[in-house]
Amino acid sequence: EIVLTQSPGTLSLSPGERATLSCRASQRVGSNFLAWYQQKPGQAPRLLIDGASTRATGIPDRFSGSGSGTDFTLTITRLEPEDSAVYFCQQYGSSPPETFGQGTKLEIK
Amino acid sequence: EVQLVQSEVEVKKPGESLEISCKGSGYSFTSYWMGWVRQMPGKGLEWMGIIYPGDSEIRYNPSFQGQITISADKSINTAYLKWSRLKASDTAIYYCARRPTGGGLDSWGQGVLVTVSS
Repeated sequence: EIVLTQSPGTLSLSPGERATLSCRASQRVGSNFLAWYQQKPGQAPRLLIDGASTRATGIPDRFSGSGSGTDFTLTITRLEPEDSAVYFCQQYGSSPPETFGQGTKLEIK
Repeated sequence: EVQLVQSEVEVKKPGESLEISCKGSGYSFTSYWMGWVRQMPGKGLEWMGIIYPGDSEIRYNPSFQGQITISADKSINTAYLKWSRLKASDTAIYYCARRPTGGGLDSWGQGVLVTVSS
């Protein structure tokens, strides 16, 4: 099983700043099948990025994904208050199981 | 428009059985994987398993295997998650989510809160 470790646990930033979220895998993620999700309180998760760097439909270009192998990054530029959420990474290159990271909470103050 | 509509909130007792459902519409149900994800209160996301309705291939997370059964009825575009004997620790929100081959979980159901309490 591939274990995904996200860092930091919590990130507090101001509007307009840039957020950098990390996701490290315990072994190589096959075909860079790595996705990022955003979850706001009381809502279902929403796909932001898959294939490590492909934005999902309707996701603004302030969100970008990068990385390969075992190290992946989600970058959010020009932060807005509505970006406050928990962000999860998930690998689906080695199945089963298609594991999630533990999440990073992003606070915009 | 792609929609995944899940069954309603459930309150059950330990030892009871339960089946929750997820009906897909607006896309070819047999051409996408359907996954199930657990979120315990205040916790993260856990991948439980996934089914490909086109050929009924099922993959279980070993952590859940033997505890749940995943199935699908492609005649009515509906996937199911079943427990034969619930435990209090099964209390959680359960999401279904569609996954294209080679892609992430791109559409999600609204989630079902299952509460197991004596």
